[in-house]
Amino acid sequence: NAGVTQTPKFQVLKTGQSMTLQCAQDMNHNSMYWYRQDPGMGLRLIYYSASEGTTDKGEVPNGYNVSRLNKREFSLRLESAAPSQTSVYFCASTWDREGYTFGSGTRLTVV
Amino acid sequence: SQQGEEDPQALSIQEGENATMNCSYKTSINNLQWYRQNSGRGLVHLILIRSNEREKHSGRLRVTLDTSKKSSSLLITASRAADTASYFCATERANSKLTFGKGITLSVRP
Repeated sequence: NAGVTQTPKFQVLKTGQSMTLQCAQDMNHNSMYWYRQDPGMGLRLIYYSASEGTTDKGEVPNGYNVSRLNKREFSLRLESAAPSQTSVYFCASTWDREGYTFGSGTRLTVV
Repeated sequence: SQQGEEDPQALSIQEGENATMNCSYKTSINNLQWYRQNSGRGLVHLILIRSNEREKHSGRLRVTLDTSKKSSSLLITASRAADTASYFCATERANSKLTFGKGITLSVRP
């Protein structure tokens, strides 16, 4: 089925470890986004890529880096994980910004 | 900070009743969107209303937008137990960022 695929679905990291969250979409969408969702905070934008080759910071970019590898793939990297980065991470994409398609999320725990 | 704020934070109704959820925002927008999230799942796009529109319908959903009051409402008619979920409003501004509120938890009792 067409959509947004995120891997992994679950991950436990130790403080200071690094990891990359992968996101791929097969809908030929131009724009891709990374959000984090915390209890009581709703979704907050970490980084986004309006088109292939461009990336921009969102509301909470500190501690993260992103790569728009090609039109399909947009990865999120944590260089040195901290407990404050424990969250559920969602990738989303859109063609024309009129309706976003979300992945099923990555539940990350940093201990 | 969140652009949109939903009200109420939680809503519990009986199956068959209508559910009304409200969203207020602070700055000018291009469009406002509503999403649903079932427990443990990703968000699903429900409906979008543009800044030059006042009302839109999709099945049992009706959304209104009042740009003078910077507010929107989502009405779900004849609710079903399957409508139990969290609902988020999101506003899109000219700089391409979709900003979400904190969400409303809707419980529909059978």
